[in-house]
Amino acid sequence: EVQLVESGGGLVQPGGSLRLSCAASGFSFSTYWMDWVRQAPGKGLVWVSRLNSDGSITTYADSVKGRFTISRDNAKNTLYLQMNSLRPEDTAVYYCVKYGRPWGQGTLVTVSS
Amino acid sequence: QSALTQPASVSGSPGQSITISCTGTSSDVGVSKYVSWYQQQPGKAPKLMIYDVSDRPSGVSNRFSGSKSGNTASLTISGLQAEDEADYYCSSYTTSSTCVFGGGTKLTVL
Repeated sequence: EVQLVESGGGLVQPGGSLRLSCAASGFSFSTYWMDWVRQAPGKGLVWVSRLNSDGSITTYADSVKGRFTISRDNAKNTLYLQMNSLRPEDTAVYYCVKYGRPWGQGTLVTVSS
Repeated sequence: QSALTQPASVSGSPGQSITISCTGTSSDVGVSKYVSWYQQQPGKAPKLMIYDVSDRPSGVSNRFSGSKSGNTASLTISGLQAEDEADYYCSSYTTSSTCVFGGGTKLTVL
């Protein structure tokens, strides 16, 4: 059974940094592209970033380009999202996603002073 | 990276069928086989209902079906039930290796 467990969220001040992790199990993690998707409170789903299987190809939403970095450790079956220069509008639940499979519960990031 | 277009709300009575549309462009929905639909109940994580335009994950009722024509994908729910009341989102991968979501549709079961 595919399982994705996000962690690393919390309260951070504007301009601060946070690194999210996503522990994957139940599938051959190293062979799949992975995504991060977020949802601000009361708002819709928004795609954030995508990474190919070996970590060599990344794409980002314009709203996070230059501030967020997606990466992975295939030996640890873990996906990461390094978030720098955080803004209040980055406040959201962040989900890591494997296409075509159920999502995890997400991790909440709150950017506030 | 414009969002896909969904109606803000749809409604139907128990037992009826409803269809939610999701309109994109020739750079996403029109050319992608990777179109998905999600159901989200209040306070819960999104639940995958349809992937690859029309495939259902195991455990999802066959009352849910997906299709695509040109730049528009559709989710049809037949035999509407009270438990189907939720927000529904479509998504599609794009020719730029990005992904785009629709703005969401609130389904009300009357």
